[in-house]
Amino acid sequence: NAGVTQTPKFQVLKTGQSMTLQCAQDMNHEYMSWYRQDPGMGLRLIHYSVGAGITDQGEVPNGYNVSRSTTEDFPLRLLSAAPSQTSVYFCASSYMGVEQFFGPGTRLTVL
Amino acid sequence: SQQGEEDPQALSIQEGENATMNCSYKTSINNLQWYRQNSGRGLVHLILIRSNEREKHSGRLRVTLDTSKKSSSLLITASRAADTASYFCATPYYGGSQGNLIFGKGTKLSVKP
Repeated sequence: NAGVTQTPKFQVLKTGQSMTLQCAQDMNHEYMSWYRQDPGMGLRLIHYSVGAGITDQGEVPNGYNVSRSTTEDFPLRLLSAAPSQTSVYFCASSYMGVEQFFGPGTRLTVL
Repeated sequence: SQQGEEDPQALSIQEGENATMNCSYKTSINNLQWYRQNSGRGLVHLILIRSNEREKHSGRLRVTLDTSKKSSSLLITASRAADTASYFCATPYYGGSQGNLIFGKGTKLSVKP
């Protein structure tokens, strides 16, 4: 089992560019989430999904879109990147929301 | 807003000593989890304690939960250099589905050999 995988590991964008952060899991988990981690802020929930076709907003959803067409994949889209979105992004999955399994993260810099 | 807040923010100890980290939270919960994050890596689940439990053990980890004080503590006994990491408490996010977590800002533990 690969667990939770994320691509890319590193990304540099210019302000206004768009991109998609990929997340996949092979544990057949219904729950998947996206978090961002900023220095001194801990992890903050961006969007989450409780199953294919079902998504909802977390604490800090502005500037991000998600969709969930399959159980395995949960991509995060940055519509128009801003320097405030410079962060490390983590995807996580879980069974029934308990004991989340995290991916290795994507380190994003927006210039 | 952060649900859990860890204390202290940073802790430095010698190998073999015990490390205690505390977490306070704001609203009623049905469980609380602790995670570890090694530098530059994703978080790893350590232990979950339910609201009807007062204490739980897992290897060298001991977690307590006091729902009346809305606080939890994580004790790592006989620490090792490999325990150097950041430790986060997490509580359920009730803004929407119960399937997601609110994390504190973490305690950065440094264990010196």
